[in-house]
Order: sequence, then structure tokens, then C-alpha cells
Amino acid sequence: NAGVTQTPKFQVLKTGQSMTLQCAQDMNHNSMYWYRQDPGMGLRLIYYSASEGTTDKGEVPNGYNVSRLNKREFSLRLESAAPSQTSVYFCASSEAKGFNYGYTFGSGTRLTVV
Amino acid sequence: GIQVEQSPPDLILQEGANSTLRCNFSDSVNNLQWFHQNPWGQLINLFYIPSGTKQNGRLSATTVATERYSLLYISSSQTTDSGVYFCAVGGSYIPTFGRGTSLIVHP
Repeated sequence: NAGVTQTPKFQVLKTGQSMTLQCAQDMNHNSMYWYRQDPGMGLRLIYYSASEGTTDKGEVPNGYNVSRLNKREFSLRLESAAPSQTSVYFCASSEAKGFNYGYTFGSGTRLTVV
Repeated sequence: GIQVEQSPPDLILQEGANSTLRCNFSDSVNNLQWFHQNPWGQLINLFYIPSGTKQNGRLSATTVATERYSLLYISSSQTTDSGVYFCAVGGSYIPTFGRGTSLIVHP
């Protein structure tokens, strides 16, 4: 099925461990995004990639790095996980850059840092 | 930054009832989207509606940009409408999401 695929769906890390969240889309979208969602909150943008080869910080980038590997793939890396990074992470893509195109979201990664 | 307030925070309905969800924002925006997050966590884009009115089946949305609000109407609600409804506004790449309206539809 066409869409945005995130892996893994669930992950438990110990404080200080590192990991990479993977995201791939098969809709030939140009722009991709990483969001985090915390209980009772809306989504907050961590990083985005307006087009292949570019990445930019969002609202809450501290503690994260990203890589736009190619047009399809956009990964999010936690170098040294902290309990404050316990959250649900969503990857999204859109046809073109900017918030004037509808987003397609992945199914999310539930991350717990202990 | 832009403040986004959604009301009501929680809503409980019987199947078949109608409802109106509201999104107020504090500044002029070029873009506004409504999303539904189902009880399993999946986020679906419902409308891209910076102004005017759009309809999709039992759902419709109206944005009055000059008065800085948007409304989402759900008619003849079904249990599958349960979940959290978010509006998000933004002028460029970094939208601001509201905290959502949690909707429960009972059979």
C-alpha cells in the first residue's frame, strides 16, 4: 500500500543509548518531516526536509539529528537518549514544501527511555 | 508564536448526533489543516482549509481567516469518528498544532 512506513513501531532504550528511527515514503513526495507527540499535546516539529539534500530544524530539535538519505527516506537519530525523549514519533511527507499541502503520516513509533 | 486553542477539549456523543469543533488562532495564517487521530494512533489529514468551506461526506469545515477561527462539523456521528481532532496552523514550514478535541461516540 502506498504511504509512509516507519520502523520500528515500539522501542525501549536505556538512558544514554542511541538509535535511529527509519521512515520511507513511496508517493514521490518532496518534503518529509519528523514530529513528536506527548500526552495531552499536539504535535511538535523536530526536523524537516523541504527537498532531497536539505534539512532544517523545527520547533524542538535539541537531542536529535536527521538524514535525508534520498528522496524516499528520512531518518531520525537519537545519539544519547534521555527520559525526556520518551514520546510517540511520527514521520510525515507532503507533495511539496510548506504547510500548504496535505500531510501523509506514518503509523508512529512509541519510544520509551528508561 | 501563534497560539492555537481548540474547544471543547472533550466531547461525548451518542451515535447519530451532530457536533461542531472549534479552532481559534491568535494571528493571521496562510495555512490551516484539520487532522483526525484514531484510537490506534493513526493520523489522517481531513482538510486543508486556509479559508472558505469544504465538505467531505459527513464532515465539513469552515475557516474565517479574518476572524481567526475554523470550525469542523461532524454530522450523523458514527463510532468510527471517535478519536482526537487536531487543527494546525502555519505560515510556512513549522505549523503549530492545537491540543486537540477528544471525541467519543457511543453506539
